[in-house]
Amino acid sequence: DVKVTQSSRYLVKRTGEKVFLECVQDMDHENMFWYRQDPGLGLRLIYFSYDVKMKEKGDIPEGYSVSREKKERFSLILESASTNQTSMYLCASSLVKGYSNQPQHFGDGTRLSIL
Amino acid sequence: RKEVEQDPGPFNVPEGATVAFNCTYSNSASQSFFWYRQDCRKEPKLLMSVYSSGNEDGRFTAQLNRASQYISLLIRDSKLSDSATYLCVVRGVSGGYNKLIFGAGTRLAVHP
Repeated sequence: DVKVTQSSRYLVKRTGEKVFLECVQDMDHENMFWYRQDPGLGLRLIYFSYDVKMKEKGDIPEGYSVSREKKERFSLILESASTNQTSMYLCASSLVKGYSNQPQHFGDGTRLSIL
Repeated sequence: RKEVEQDPGPFNVPEGATVAFNCTYSNSASQSFFWYRQDCRKEPKLLMSVYSSGNEDGRFTAQLNRASQYISLLIRDSKLSDSATYLCVVRGVSGGYNKLIFGAGTRLAVHP
């Protein structure tokens, strides 16, 4: 069974802090994704990666960066956290490079609050 | 206009009822379609893919109407355990890469 693990379920940070959200998958998946989920807006894609050291911007990359140094780990970075980044963050992975016609497996999510 | 639109609900139905959710998408070039299910405070999970000819999985039936750019999910004989948010998902293209575009979800509450 695929396991996608996010480092924290709940996180509280202050405005201006640098925030790291970590995601690890254990099934050797090529693709990894970071989304945020807000009421009434659904899941919105922030960044994705189809390979180690590769990253592509999603729909809402502003204020975020990512790192994929190892295949199993995909990190989301809030360079200088702001209150409008308070949200639920979901990491996902899927198997084959560049091909999204397959299920994405999600982590439990990190509920991030920026004060 | 959102790329994928759903009625947010909630749909409140008694056990045993039949309920249908609709979803519309804006990009006529979209090729693949899915329904995901998300329980309260949990992650989304794939419920079923949607095929052009329509497909069924137990009590769940998914249909696609490409001409109207419309997807539906029918749940028969609703169970309490069906209570969740149902996300309509469409495969699109961004920057030359395929990506999944999620609707905001339709909430279903099944009561005794």
